[in-house]
Amino acid sequence: EVQLVESGGSLVQPGGSLKLSCVASGFTFSNYWMDWVRQTPGKSLEWIGEINTDGSKTNYAPSIKDRFTISRDNAKSTLYLQMSNVKSDDTAIYYCTRYGSTLDYWGQGVMVTVSS
Amino acid sequence: DVVLTQTPVAQPVTLGDQASISCRSSQSLVHSNGNTYLEWYLQKPGQSPQLLIYKVSNRFSGVPDRFIGSGSGSDFTLKISRVEPEDLGVYYCFQATHDPYTFGAGTKLELK
Repeated sequence: EVQLVESGGSLVQPGGSLKLSCVASGFTFSNYWMDWVRQTPGKSLEWIGEINTDGSKTNYAPSIKDRFTISRDNAKSTLYLQMSNVKSDDTAIYYCTRYGSTLDYWGQGVMVTVSS
Repeated sequence: DVVLTQTPVAQPVTLGDQASISCRSSQSLVHSNGNTYLEWYLQKPGQSPQLLIYKVSNRFSGVPDRFIGSGSGSDFTLKISRVEPEDLGVYYCFQATHDPYTFGAGTKLELK
C-alpha cells in the first residue's frame, strides 16, 4: 500500500524558515518524481513544485520560487520542502504527492501557519 | 498561467441522479507529445484529494465506472452517473500540460 506521511508543520513567524518532510513507503521511491501541493484556508489548491527521480532537476511555481527548495533522499525514501522567508500567504496545508500517472497518491497533509 | 474555470461552483443532487461538472481551460491542454494532461480529483470532507480520472478519460485504480471523463482541447467534462453518498465532496480539475501546473477552483457536489 502506497503511503506518504508528512511532518514538520508548525507555527512560524513571517520571514522565518521551516522544513517539511515526507516519508514514503509501499513503492520504489527512487523511481518516481515527487511533488508538493498546498491548500490555503480559502480551500484552493496550488501546485508548488516537483523533483525528478534522482534529485538533479526541480521545477517550481513562480509564487514560491527562490524561497522554497524541494529535495529528496532516496536512501531514506524521504522528500523535503525547505521553506524560507515565509509570508502570511504561505499559511496552508502542505501535501506531499507522488507523480505516477499524474499526482496519483497524496499524503494526509501537514499544517503550516505563518503568523507573528 | 493556465486558468481552469469550473462550473458550476456547487451542484445540488439527489442520490441516484446524474451530475455533470465542466472544466474549461484558458488554452489548449494538448501537450507537444500528443497527450492531454487533464485530471479530476475528489476531496471528501476532512480528507486529502484523491485521483479519479487522468489524461481526460482514464479511470484510476479502483474508481467506479460511474465516473466518466471526456473532452478535448480546452473543454472537459466529468459525469457521475447514479450519485452515491460517498461521491459527495469537492471536485477539482487539474492540468499538468503547461508549467506551472494549475487547479480549478472546485465544484461542490452536495445533496439537495
